[in-house]
Amino acid sequence: DQQVKQNSPSLSVQEGRISILNCDYTNSMFDYFLWYKKYPAEGPTFLISISSIKDKNEDGRFTVFLNKSAKHLSLHIVPSQPGDSAVYFCAASAAGTASKLTFGTGTRLQVTL
Amino acid sequence: ETGVTQSPTHLIKTRGQQVTLRCSSQSGHNTVSWYQQALGQGPQFIFQYYREEENGRGNFPPRFSGLQFPNYSSELNVNALELDDSALYLCASSTPADTQYFGPGTRLTVL
Repeated sequence: DQQVKQNSPSLSVQEGRISILNCDYTNSMFDYFLWYKKYPAEGPTFLISISSIKDKNEDGRFTVFLNKSAKHLSLHIVPSQPGDSAVYFCAASAAGTASKLTFGTGTRLQVTL
Repeated sequence: ETGVTQSPTHLIKTRGQQVTLRCSSQSGHNTVSWYQQALGQGPQFIFQYYREEENGRGNFPPRFSGLQFPNYSSELNVNALELDDSALYLCASSTPADTQYFGPGTRLTVL
């Protein structure tokens, strides 16, 4: 039962363009969502999060959008840089279990020159 | 400020053996969560420790157990290892309601 889904295993984007990574969830109890970035041989690094009371959160080049009715969130990276090449994981948690994260399977982003 | 550290980096065991993985939490964090990441999958929640008590458990059998110490460091123990236990084991530390910060992981191979 995959409660958090990232349906695109990989994405290739040119440097300077926008990268859009998508995530869908099925559990309506989820109320907090996070994006993590992972390089090989390293642990996931926190990027940005959003609470279900918001529909957008921005931090520099990274913006996360949440559409609760569609149970969908997306991460926008503008402009994309070669150092952004990594695996991106979407994660979610439910009220009362703020630290128990349910992760998607990840999307590998390749930013090309 | 020291981040989350894990030891060992890599480990090779045989089926049926027991293994202990260690995690030191980030300064100021009293909550430690453990995750298993199989190849090609996202991390899966194993359990969490808060102030030395288990505070939530995922869908893992009892042969996965843990400890948290007074300095908030933690151990993950796995008994009777199976081939499917081969994975990257990630530790994350936080305060209870805050963002989790992950260590680099321990790569366990079971032969």
